[in-house]
Amino acid sequence: EAGVVQSPRYKIIEKKQPVAFWCNPISGHNTLYWYLQNLGQGPELLIRYENEEAVDDSQLPKDRFSAERLKGVDSTLKIQPAELGDSAVYLCASSSRDNKNIQYFGAGTRLSVL
Amino acid sequence: GENVEQHPSTLSVQEGDSAVIKCTYSDSASNYFPWYKQELGKRPQLIIDIRSNVGEKKDQRIAVTLNKTAKHFSLHITETQPEDSAVYFCAASMRTNAGKSTFGDGTTLTVKP
Repeated sequence: EAGVVQSPRYKIIEKKQPVAFWCNPISGHNTLYWYLQNLGQGPELLIRYENEEAVDDSQLPKDRFSAERLKGVDSTLKIQPAELGDSAVYLCASSSRDNKNIQYFGAGTRLSVL
Repeated sequence: GENVEQHPSTLSVQEGDSAVIKCTYSDSASNYFPWYKQELGKRPQLIIDIRSNVGEKKDQRIAVTLNKTAKHFSLHITETQPEDSAVYFCAASMRTNAGKSTFGDGTTLTVKP
């Protein structure tokens, strides 16, 4: 079984540029999460989807961040425009309907904003 | 909301010694406590978890204990090996919001050969 797949693994952009991250969860997992992980800190939830519905986006900076999961499978997270402080690792995770507590993480996208 | 504190932030032990990492949580509604291991540049991976109806759980060299009254739980690694070196994260999930986990800031464990 393939795990959670994220791309790209690394992204370097200049500030004020847009950037997008992609996530393909484990097949059959209806819950998808996007996390922000700063260096030396634990993952912080940005948004959580149940199928195609965003059920928790309270921590998503909506002025510049957006996300979608149109068909309830793949998801994209976008930042526009990026700021220096957005440099971090963006992790995607998924969990199944039968056990939402167990989350499986992707390898993450390391974003560097110059 | 839930607040999870993790200590220590760094831990260095000699190979073969034991390592203990502690976490406290604030919300008594939390009922699920996983531990993740994240090796450098890799994804966090679940290594062990415990639910609030259990006080202790063991899996080979790792064990987790939970004290609901004091709202703290700990990860114990015995007979540490160099490959145990990684960052370990604890987390707490709220009963009323299954799937929403709050993570600690992590403990960097270094096992010296």
